[in-house]
Amino acid sequence: RKEVEQDPGPFNVPEGATVAFNCTYSNSASQSFFWYRQDCRKEPKLLMSVYSSGNEDGRFTAQLNRASQYISLLIRDSKLSDSATYLCVVNSGFQKLVFGTGTRLLVSP
Amino acid sequence: EAGVAQSPRYKIIEKRQSVAFWCNPISGHATLYWYQQILGQGPKLLIQFQNNGVVDDSQLPKDRFSAERLKGVDSTLKIQPAKLEDSAVYLCASSLRGYNRDPYEQYFGPGTRLTVT
Repeated sequence: RKEVEQDPGPFNVPEGATVAFNCTYSNSASQSFFWYRQDCRKEPKLLMSVYSSGNEDGRFTAQLNRASQYISLLIRDSKLSDSATYLCVVNSGFQKLVFGTGTRLLVSP
Repeated sequence: EAGVAQSPRYKIIEKRQSVAFWCNPISGHATLYWYQQILGQGPKLLIQFQNNGVVDDSQLPKDRFSAERLKGVDSTLKIQPAKLEDSAVYLCASSLRGYNRDPYEQYFGPGTRLTVT
């Protein structure tokens, strides 16, 4: 079983739609969780951290469910510029990050 | 603030040849990482340095891959000899331990796209 699992997609949504991605992780001792964004042929960049209480940054909301070991990312009012691959990332200890395969999002006009 | 620098950006070699990649992390970042990202997959950690010491190299294929970080700043990753399955993007990242809002945030360089023919 992979340490971090994501649906690779692609998720095709129209502008203005709400879309949600889930990710599961296998290491119950994991302490930190993140969503990174990766544009085509570019490097990954931190989108947001995921806290136990959940957190929101504009149109983006991230939530953590430790009991079920999953992380979610919700994007409201999708923009064309949101088209990218969203990587679920788990800190497995001592600053070591484990990346999922990514979920590809395509937002169309 | 300058970001993580990597070179070359692209490299095409034949199998069994050797290749080396260079990385210069963000100034002051103690931790440096090399990742391999195969098309359609997430980045996979190859090696992690804390200053000039190796923290984790459990996924580095040591029979052909080597890396060093002399003086705790720049780093080089070498493949010798290359195989077809080494075709990937090699990403370097760095992080500043414990001082910013997200101590585990990693800043990535643009990567080196390697094609082995």
